[in-house]
Amino acid sequence: KQEVTQIPAALSVPEGENLVLNCSFTDSAIYNLQWFRQDPGKGLTSLLLIQSSQREQTSGRLNASLDKSSGRSTLYIAASQPGDSATYLCAVPGRLDNQGGKLIFGQGTELSVKP
Amino acid sequence: NAGVMQNPRHLVRRRGQEARLRCSPMKGHSHVYWYRQLPEEGLKFMVYLQKENIIDESGMPKERFSAEFPKEGPSILRIQQVVRGDSAAYFCASSPPVRIIYNEQFFGPGTRLTVL
Repeated sequence: KQEVTQIPAALSVPEGENLVLNCSFTDSAIYNLQWFRQDPGKGLTSLLLIQSSQREQTSGRLNASLDKSSGRSTLYIAASQPGDSATYLCAVPGRLDNQGGKLIFGQGTELSVKP
Repeated sequence: NAGVMQNPRHLVRRRGQEARLRCSPMKGHSHVYWYRQLPEEGLKFMVYLQKENIIDESGMPKERFSAEFPKEGPSILRIQQVVRGDSAAYFCASSPPVRIIYNEQFFGPGTRLTVL
């Protein structure tokens, strides 16, 4: 059974710091991994999706890496800003083929960037 | 291209009433997923539907909950005889047909259900 864990549960940093959020999964036979952002009381915004054939994806100040063999992904945020404050979630498909289906989420990392 | 739409955004029901949550997927998306986020808990999958078919309902409670995605119109998540424990945020997501390579899910803003 696939399980997703995110560490730390909460993180507080001063503005301008670079930071890394961690995501681990128990079954490495995934075909992609998706990172989301959730603001309080809001929906989820997709940040990055990494296919199993890729090792990393970049979007602006965000860089996500994927190491399937070790069951880990990291989300790197460069030069953090107060507007980055949110909960960050990673998710992997519940199926081991590319036929769609449920996502299994980690509990999230609540990030606070202090001005 | 409008995103995933959900309504209502907030819904208040008394115990024993019915709750109906609606979800319109993104244009061109034929797959709909419902997730529930209980207070202080993570997002949990409930059900996966394609037009007129339930593909996976392994996350749905056995009683009082049902979902549909008719040929025309939005997907509906229906909760009968609501109890306080049903209070949560319910999110809908959609994705394009699976043969499009990314199969990325896009989420709506959610419906926050409060049961009094």
